Amino acid sequence: KQEVTQIPAALSVPEGENLVLNCSFTDSAIYNLQWFRQDPGKGLTSLLLIQSSQREQTSGRLNASLDKSSGRSTLYIAASQPGDSATYLCAVSFAGGTSYGKLTFGQGTILTVHP
Amino acid sequence: DAGITQSPRHKVTETGTPVTLRCHQTENHRYMYWYRQDPGHGLRLIHYSYGVKDTDKGEVSDGYSVSRSKTEDFLLTLESATSSQTSVYFCAISGTGPWGYTFGSGTRLTVV
Repeated sequence: KQEVTQIPAALSVPEGENLVLNCSFTDSAIYNLQWFRQDPGKGLTSLLLIQSSQREQTSGRLNASLDKSSGRSTLYIAASQPGDSATYLCAVSFAGGTSYGKLTFGQGTILTVHP
Repeated sequence: DAGITQSPRHKVTETGTPVTLRCHQTENHRYMYWYRQDPGHGLRLIHYSYGVKDTDKGEVSDGYSVSRSKTEDFLLTLESATSSQTSVYFCAISGTGPWGYTFGSGTRLTVV
């Protein structure tokens, strides 16, 4: 079964710290991997999308890497701020069959950045 | 989110009644999806559509049906609502490659 796992389930850090969120997936045959942010009671906001042929993507203080051979991705957040507090979700579009862009999600990492 | 609207935002319904949730997009994207989000299970795919009148089942499709008669609308129907279908339902859209997703704001459904 194709699965996505995120570690840690929760993370609490002081403001200003650099941090890393981890995502692993069971099948290296993927179309892409996406990172989303979800605030409590809200929908999902796309942060970064990494294509299968790419190794990393950057947006502002966020950097996501992809290593297909090991089935891993990391989301690096630099100089964290209280406004970064949210749940971060990793999602993979696995290749093969009639994928049609379907995403398999991890359980998420709940991030709290305290002042 | 801009370009995708879900209705209603909240609904309370009784066990055994049919319920229809609507997803409307203005992006002319080919692909549309319905997910449910539950504590301990994360987001799981219910049904998806890859074109008008072209739909298929996802991971947790039992008890749900969908229809897509127009590009812009994707309807999710709970044929006979049960308490286990109490959840937050999200609609999403994507274009053909690179499969970037846009999610709606969600519908919180409570079945009593």
